[in-house]
Amino acid sequence: AQSVTQLGSHVSVSEGALVLLRCNYSSSVPPYLFWYVQYPNQGLQLLLKYTSAATLVKGINGFEAEFKKSETSFHLTKPSAHMSDAAEYFCAVSDFTGNQFYFGTGTSLTVIP
Amino acid sequence: DAGVTQSPTHLIKTRGQQVTLRCSPISGHKSVSWYQQVLGQGPQFIFQYYEKEERGRGNFPDRFSARQFPNYSSELNVNALLLGDSALYLCASSSPGTLGYEQYFGPGTRLTVT
Repeated sequence: AQSVTQLGSHVSVSEGALVLLRCNYSSSVPPYLFWYVQYPNQGLQLLLKYTSAATLVKGINGFEAEFKKSETSFHLTKPSAHMSDAAEYFCAVSDFTGNQFYFGTGTSLTVIP
Repeated sequence: DAGVTQSPTHLIKTRGQQVTLRCSPISGHKSVSWYQQVLGQGPQFIFQYYEKEERGRGNFPDRFSARQFPNYSSELNVNALLLGDSALYLCASSSPGTLGYEQYFGPGTRLTVT
């Protein structure tokens, strides 16, 4: 079965600092990988996805993630944090059928002014 | 284009009651999935429907059921509600023709069981 592990349930960064949110996946075959963001009392919004094309994936709002098969990782980064980035971030994985999505437990990002 | 819509927004029920949640997918999307998100946790997969057929089921008891209608909208039913069913229920739609089957989420229905 697919699964993802998000290291660090809470991450705090200063405004303008690098954002790094960690995600490791467990899969016997290269999966599809996703990062979603959730603002308070809202649904989830797709930031970016990996579908076995380029290993460096660029998403919305300046976020990007790099797929590293050797490390089974798909970490999310942003060079310079903005106050509006404060939210809950979820890493997710699905197999090639897309019939099931598995989400991590989430990382809450706080941006300190 | 309208996104995924869900109704109602909030719902309060008592233990033992039954509840029905509704979801309308993005126009053109034929697949609908349901998730339960307990406060402080990630969404947990409940069901996926495609073309009115169940394509996936998560580890939830038989009290949870769903169906998809010819217009691709969907309902999630939960019988014999328990306090632990209190959660945000998210619906997501996707288009299987899209590589990676990315899912688009609605705003959710907040269910409180007292």
